Amino acid sequence: DGGITQSPKYLFRKEGQNVTLSCEQNLNHDAMYWYRQDPGQGLRLIYYSQIVNDFQKGDIAEGYSVSREKKESFPLTVTSAQKNPTAFYLCASSWAPGTQYEQYFGPGTRLTVT
Amino acid sequence: SQELEQSPQSLIVQEGKNLTINCTSSKTLYGLYWYKQKYGEGLIFLMMLQKGGEEKSHEKITAKLDEKKQQSSLHITASQPSHAGIYLCGADMGYNFNKFYFGSGTKLNVKP
Repeated sequence: DGGITQSPKYLFRKEGQNVTLSCEQNLNHDAMYWYRQDPGQGLRLIYYSQIVNDFQKGDIAEGYSVSREKKESFPLTVTSAQKNPTAFYLCASSWAPGTQYEQYFGPGTRLTVT
Repeated sequence: SQELEQSPQSLIVQEGKNLTINCTSSKTLYGLYWYKQKYGEGLIFLMMLQKGGEEKSHEKITAKLDEKKQQSSLHITASQPSHAGIYLCGADMGYNFNKFYFGSGTKLNVKP
């Protein structure tokens, strides 16, 4: 079955620690995205990647970093510089860059930092 | 996103009733997507609308984009408990072809 997987589903960290969220897709999609969702708010774009070895900042990239070394993988690192990291993180992918293509979403990772 | 306003924020309906959710922008939308999300899970694609006046249906859910391409509505006929969840609209606002803007979502609860 093709799809997007995110792991783990729940993640707990102490303040001051970096943490990496995994996102893998086997849909052969070129474009991948990371969003953050907070209660009562819509999704906000953190980073996106149009193609391997390329990525661009979204609206709220501060305190986050990404890499795109393989087409299938787009891990997100939440660094200690992120002031309010507790949130639900969603990864998505699409056939190609551009909003004319539907985005497919993973199941999400809920990160809690205390 | 303040670019897209969804209403209502939450909705409780009795099973079997019809309901409508709206997504409104002050600017022209170049593409409008409707997604459904169950709490704590990812988004499931429902429909995409691109042309003014366009209407699409899937099972008991119908989505429309107005002629001006500034407002979309999602209508559910004869609601069922399985329709419960959060409905989000996402749109291409024309600023950046890579970027969707999302509304804050409408929580739907269907009482059996």
